[in-house]
Amino acid sequence: AQSVSQHNHHVILSEAASLELGCNYSYGGTVNLFWYVQYPGQHLQLLLKYFSGDPLVKGIKGFEAEFIKSKFSFNLRKPSVQWSDTAEYFCAVSTISSGSARQLTFGSGTQLTVLP
Amino acid sequence: DGGITQSPKYLFRKEGQNVTLSCEQNLNHDAMYWYRQDPGQGLRLIYYSQIVNDFQKGDIAEGYSVSREKKESFPLTVTSAQKNPTAFYLCASRPGPGNSPLHFGNGTRLTVT
Repeated sequence: AQSVSQHNHHVILSEAASLELGCNYSYGGTVNLFWYVQYPGQHLQLLLKYFSGDPLVKGIKGFEAEFIKSKFSFNLRKPSVQWSDTAEYFCAVSTISSGSARQLTFGSGTQLTVLP
Repeated sequence: DGGITQSPKYLFRKEGQNVTLSCEQNLNHDAMYWYRQDPGQGLRLIYYSQIVNDFQKGDIAEGYSVSREKKESFPLTVTSAQKNPTAFYLCASRPGPGNSPLHFGNGTRLTVT
């Protein structure tokens, strides 16, 4: 079974600092990769996704992520964070499970706190 | 506006009672999912349904049951057999079992005492 690891449980940054959140997965087959974000009091929403093609994908609000197949990684980056980026971030991997049904496996999440 | 509605937002129950969490979507999505969110553990899949009248166990189905009698509804029952029912429960849907991203509801926080 696939698994997703987010090693940073809580990250605290000052505004304008650069951000990189790690995401590693274990699965030998073809994967689709996602980052979801949950702002305080709001529902989970998609930040960006990778299906194929250019391994550097850009999402909403200035976020980007790079798929490095050899490292089984899909790290999330932002050059300069804002206070409004304070949220919990989840990495997720989609694979073909038994019965040919694609399911998402989520990482444990990283809480980002941006200090004003 | 289309979306997923979970009700209620907060739910309190006594130990030993079954409780049903509601999830309704008007997105015309075929696939629906129930996740449990615990601090430090992220989202874990309880049950999912790809089509009406069909559902499959996820990673932590023990102590839970679901039904999918209508396309727009996927209620989750937390039974007395679930050993640690206190948690935040998220319902999600997407058009089909393919690559499309999930749409999430706002969640229900269940507290069992």
